Amino acid sequence: DGGITQSPKYLFRKEGQNVTLSCEQNLNHDAMYWYRQDPGQGLRLIYYSQIVNDFQKGDIAEGYSVSREKKESFPLTVTSAQKNPTAFYLCASIRTPNTGELFFGEGSRLTVL
Amino acid sequence: AQSVTQLGSHVSVSEGALVLLRCNYSSSVPPYLFWYVQYPNQGLQLLLKYTSAATLVKGINGFEAEFKKSETSFHLTKPSAHMSDAAEYFCAVSSLGFSGGYNKLIFGAGTRLAVHP
Repeated sequence: DGGITQSPKYLFRKEGQNVTLSCEQNLNHDAMYWYRQDPGQGLRLIYYSQIVNDFQKGDIAEGYSVSREKKESFPLTVTSAQKNPTAFYLCASIRTPNTGELFFGEGSRLTVL
Repeated sequence: AQSVTQLGSHVSVSEGALVLLRCNYSSSVPPYLFWYVQYPNQGLQLLLKYTSAATLVKGINGFEAEFKKSETSFHLTKPSAHMSDAAEYFCAVSSLGFSGGYNKLIFGAGTRLAVHP
């Protein structure tokens, strides 16, 4: 079955450490997104990528970095510069041609100790 | 600029009762509107979408929503709630088709639905 796989599901990190969240899709979608979810705030866009080797900052990109070396993969690194990294992170992709429907992975919950 | 307001962060209904989750939007261009559902510790799943065709949109699991331009609303309803409907629901707006290839969805803050026996 096609879908989006995020790993790890749960992750703990100490302050000052970088951590990378994996996102892989086998839907053959061109565009991929990373969102951050905090209670009562909905989803906020961190980064997005419309094609391989290209990505753009979203609304809350500070303290995060991404790469898009392959169409199937869009990893997110949460750096030590992110002041409040504890959150639920969601990766998504969009059907081509663009229908407006985002397909989401199951999310990764990051907790900073 | 676009925005979405979901009225009521928590809604509680009895099993079998009507479900009504409210969503109002703001958009300077004709909007595309979506409802997504999220179960605990999972990603979001599309319930239904409005893309300028019929104003009454039917989705999965018996949900439907009506686009009312005059009220700038897109409320989600279900005639009879089931225990399995307990989840968080997000309304979202997009200017798909008016902003090139990039589809930016603006999400509301979400409404958590509780269903009691």
